[in-house]
Amino acid sequence: QSALTQPASVSGSPGQSITISCTGASSDIVNYNWVSWYQQHPGKAPKLIIYDVTNRPSGVSDRFSGSKSGDTASLTISGLQTEDEADYYCLSHTYTSTYVFGTGTTVTVL
Amino acid sequence: QVLLVESGGGVVQPGRSLRLSCAASGFTFRSFAMNWVRQAPGKGLEWVTLISHDGGGKYYADSVKGRFTISRDYSKNTVSLEMNSLRPEDTAVYYCVKMGGNSGHDLLNWGQGTLVTV
Repeated sequence: QSALTQPASVSGSPGQSITISCTGASSDIVNYNWVSWYQQHPGKAPKLIIYDVTNRPSGVSDRFSGSKSGDTASLTISGLQTEDEADYYCLSHTYTSTYVFGTGTTVTVL
Repeated sequence: QVLLVESGGGVVQPGRSLRLSCAASGFTFRSFAMNWVRQAPGKGLEWVTLISHDGGGKYYADSVKGRFTISRDYSKNTVSLEMNSLRPEDTAVYYCVKMGGNSGHDLLNWGQGTLVTV
């Protein structure tokens, strides 16, 4: 199972909105609504920020939102803040009942 | 609150074995699937393996299939990862991760990780 494809980096100014894409295939994203997103700051464990494509866990800012169309899932961060500077990973369930992460995206706040 | 504490990491020579453990507390252990996720130094996340809530289902990434074995002990509330035939590319921080309670397909709670160096 190959890693899902994410852009290596995305940047934006404070207050702007950015979107991170996560592209898979029929073996994962296309046929399952079990896509989640994780935020990881340097030296820290990842944190779940979106599950089941669009849902936010309790305590996660509503500036984070998720969506999916076809083979691509997306994470949008609106009202970008300096603390959003981190690495972001998508994860999808696959047809073999395993999971696959995306390649990861580094978000830089200019 | 949910607490996951990994142990057993260290330095090991290629071809040797190592066993990681994860002590879980703060939730009903037998109700949730558990995972191991790893991250090589400076690299991205890689899902490694999952064991179902009842221990009846075990799934592995192709990169570790046949070499790694996941298990759980309900009397001790622990999850273990037996790693055999270790390779330099297995060098990583290994995280113990509890599935979420909604659809059960999200990695909700993470341990602090334990470093394995091959």
